[in-house]
Amino acid sequence: GAGVSQSPSNKVTEKGKDVELRCDPISGHTALYWYRQSLGQGLEFLIYFQGNSAPDKSGLPSDRFSAERTGGSVSTLTIQRTQQEDSAVYLCASSTRGGGSEAFFGQGTRLTVV
Amino acid sequence: AQSVTQLGSHVSVSEGALVLLRCNYSSSVPPYLFWYVQYPNQGLQLLLKYTSAATLVKGINGFEAEFKKSETSFHLTKPSAHMSDAAEYFCAVSDLGDDKIIFGKGTRLHILP
Repeated sequence: GAGVSQSPSNKVTEKGKDVELRCDPISGHTALYWYRQSLGQGLEFLIYFQGNSAPDKSGLPSDRFSAERTGGSVSTLTIQRTQQEDSAVYLCASSTRGGGSEAFFGQGTRLTVV
Repeated sequence: AQSVTQLGSHVSVSEGALVLLRCNYSSSVPPYLFWYVQYPNQGLQLLLKYTSAATLVKGINGFEAEFKKSETSFHLTKPSAHMSDAAEYFCAVSDLGDDKIIFGKGTRLHILP
């Protein structure tokens, strides 16, 4: 596609429900990143993929968070049993090969847990 | 672990004045360094990046940054601020041989008329 696409753009969910956030990277980009953006906290690294593998999951806040990537393309970030502190903007980015390559960002998914 | 520190969560400058946004990184080996900008209600976009080719890096919209190994710094500057520069700026780092990109907490730049 022309750019990184994320869906939904907005999601309101009740505390305790599970949510799935989707990221469709730029075609051909092997590296894919998930970040969480909260007010005053900058971009918090969650996880990145190189192809379908996730070499570094150290940023996932708890075991309620998981992510997968299939076919070296689309990725989903799943949050189980959502809590109010999960409310944030979740950003996805992709790059040609990671490392020193430019990361291209999607518009994000704004998650609100009520 | 690699980290990035941005001094000042908010910086205000007058229109036409020098812009200086500070960034320090923690790696002992010169990494890849980036500045990204997020304009209001827009996604993040790359301003410039350092990949060891030159210590002074020029980016879009008149911004530049200088890599100083001795100070482990990569400060962003622009000689003359414009109202359209009001945005949030993020410094980011990636170690050689590591695909992970770590961002700082960001600096919101306010331009005073």
